[in-house]
Amino acid sequence: DGGITQSPKYLFRKEGQNVTLSCEQNLNHDAMYWYRQDPGQGLRLIYYSQIVNDFQKGDIAEGYSVSREKKESFPLTVTSAQKNPTAFYLCASSISSDSYNEQFFGPGTRLTVL
Amino acid sequence: KQEVTQIPAALSVPEGENLVLNCSFTDSAIYNLQWFRQDPGKGLTSLLLIQSSQREQTSGRLNASLDKSSGRSTLYIAASQPGDSATYLCAVRYNQGGKLIFGQGTELSVKP
Repeated sequence: DGGITQSPKYLFRKEGQNVTLSCEQNLNHDAMYWYRQDPGQGLRLIYYSQIVNDFQKGDIAEGYSVSREKKESFPLTVTSAQKNPTAFYLCASSISSDSYNEQFFGPGTRLTVL
Repeated sequence: KQEVTQIPAALSVPEGENLVLNCSFTDSAIYNLQWFRQDPGKGLTSLLLIQSSQREQTSGRLNASLDKSSGRSTLYIAASQPGDSATYLCAVRYNQGGKLIFGQGTELSVKP
């Protein structure tokens, strides 16, 4: 099965903890993205990567970090500097970052701060 | 500022009805527009992608149109079914980097 997987489905974080959300794709896509979804606010871009070992900040990158060491993997770390991390996190990918390409999304991870 | 708006925020219709969901965007210099479906607690499923040079796209009972000059797109759903109940999101792409700007979605409920 080709697709995007995210794990875990649910994640709980204590104050001051860093947590890492996993995103893996077997679609051979070059570009990968992380979005955050809050109720009533739609989706907002956190980080994106056009190619291995390269990534750029999106609109709300503060308090987050990413890496892109392998083409199929784009993990997102939510650091203790992110003051309001409770949200639904969605990973996406596309063949390339070319403007004509469709983005496909994973099933999401719901992060809750205790 | 580049913004995407979807109205209404929620819509309830009886089964079998044809319906239209609306999406408007403030900057007409788009590359493409994508419609998604989201079920509660789930990820997004891509429904249709319309390039800036296209006027419409069709997939089964779904038809999406694009009017760049007026900054509008519509998603037409024919013969609605209870299984169509979900939140529908439109997203606009403005540049090469791939960033999508999302509307807040329309929550559709189709009653049997």
